[in-house]
Amino acid sequence: LAKTTQPISMDSYEGQEVNITCSHNNIATNDYITWYQQFPSQGPRFIIQGYKTKVTNEVASLFIPADRKSSTLSLPRVSLSDTAVYYCLVAPDTGRRALTFGSGTRLQVQP
Amino acid sequence: NAGVMQNPRHLVRRRGQEARLRCSPMKGHSHVYWYRQLPEEGLKFMVYLQKENIIDESGMPKERFSAEFPKEGPSILRIQQVVRGDSAAYFCASSTNRGNKNIQYFGAGTRLSVL
Repeated sequence: LAKTTQPISMDSYEGQEVNITCSHNNIATNDYITWYQQFPSQGPRFIIQGYKTKVTNEVASLFIPADRKSSTLSLPRVSLSDTAVYYCLVAPDTGRRALTFGSGTRLQVQP
Repeated sequence: NAGVMQNPRHLVRRRGQEARLRCSPMKGHSHVYWYRQLPEEGLKFMVYLQKENIIDESGMPKERFSAEFPKEGPSILRIQQVVRGDSAAYFCASSTNRGNKNIQYFGAGTRLSVL
């Protein structure tokens, strides 16, 4: 399974754009990159998923370079409610379906 | 459109008792997963089930833990003779059949405290 590396923590202020980068050097051809958000005392919530290039939805954007060895989750204009732990996961569409969560990135948004 | 429902949200047990955690997947989802999370750590996979079948239990402790997903009713994670080390948050997730790029939707979890 591809291992992911992401910063342990990040700080930001309301209204700023936050970019969280994840490294996955051993990503396989059939792996997808998925980001989840987890608030205290809640289960992880799916944010966005991509395979290559750029994906955007109403919550975030995901940038994936051509070599796919890293990805960047971009949160535009964060608010206090975006304070959470963000997990980057790499998993195949087929085969073993167990998700491997690392320690995630703890984002703290200040007023 | 109800999400993944887990109950109870909080469960307190004394050492040696049994704990039963229930999970109802999202409507239309036939795949269920159980994960365990210790404080300040990421989630750890335990077991993956489809209706009446255990597909992958590679993350389940060999003793005291069992899981089922019957034809009717919720999935159950059962922990027999609980010990203090079983105290954790247990999350259930569900997904559709293959082809959804393995996106899993999580419940709010059950927090088990063993006294």
